[in-house]
Amino acid sequence: DAGVIQSPRHEVTEMGQEVTLRCKPISGHNSLFWYRQTMMRGLELLIYFNNNVPIDDSGMPEDRFSAKMPNASFSTLKIQPSEPRDSAVYFCASSPGTSGNGELFFGEGSRLTVL
Amino acid sequence: GENVEQHPSTLSVQEGDSAVIKCTYSDSASNYFPWYKQELGKRPQLIIDIRSNVGEKKDQRIAVTLNKTAKHFSLHITETQPEDSAVYFCAATETSYDKVIFGPGTSLSVIP
Repeated sequence: DAGVIQSPRHEVTEMGQEVTLRCKPISGHNSLFWYRQTMMRGLELLIYFNNNVPIDDSGMPEDRFSAKMPNASFSTLKIQPSEPRDSAVYFCASSPGTSGNGELFFGEGSRLTVL
Repeated sequence: GENVEQHPSTLSVQEGDSAVIKCTYSDSASNYFPWYKQELGKRPQLIIDIRSNVGEKKDQRIAVTLNKTAKHFSLHITETQPEDSAVYFCAATETSYDKVIFGPGTSLSVIP
């Protein structure tokens, strides 16, 4: 397996634009997580899914953020409209879920810069 | 919900010395405690983990201890090497829900 695949790796956009980040988890993993990493706030859990169902989205900062997982092999994180304070590295991670040992496998991250 | 604290935020040691990073957690239901290492510009990767039915676990130069009564756990790195320089994150999770909450991280610098 190629691991968790995220796209784009880098995104530079202007304030007010819509941003869509994509993630393909490892095949067979039941849980998918979206984290945001900044120097000030570290690794923040935004939302996680289990068997494609959102379990906890309490970390989503505000209504501008939304996430979907339409099937077991794809998830998106959307920011609309984007703001400069959304600039961060966004990581997607997958895990085997309750059937596994709990290890998270991270993608390489999407570095977002909002001007 | 779970809250994980981590100390120190930065740590500088001489090559060959030991490094210790300490974490505390708040949710007594947490039962799985992984440690991740993140090198500059890279993704976090698991280096060692421990479950609540175990007090200590060792893997070569890395060891982790857990005190479930006090709700704290620690990472010990012995004989540090320059390639150990990275940010280390502790985390806590209740495996029945898979929700992994990270501590704020410790930036470790090993000086040759």
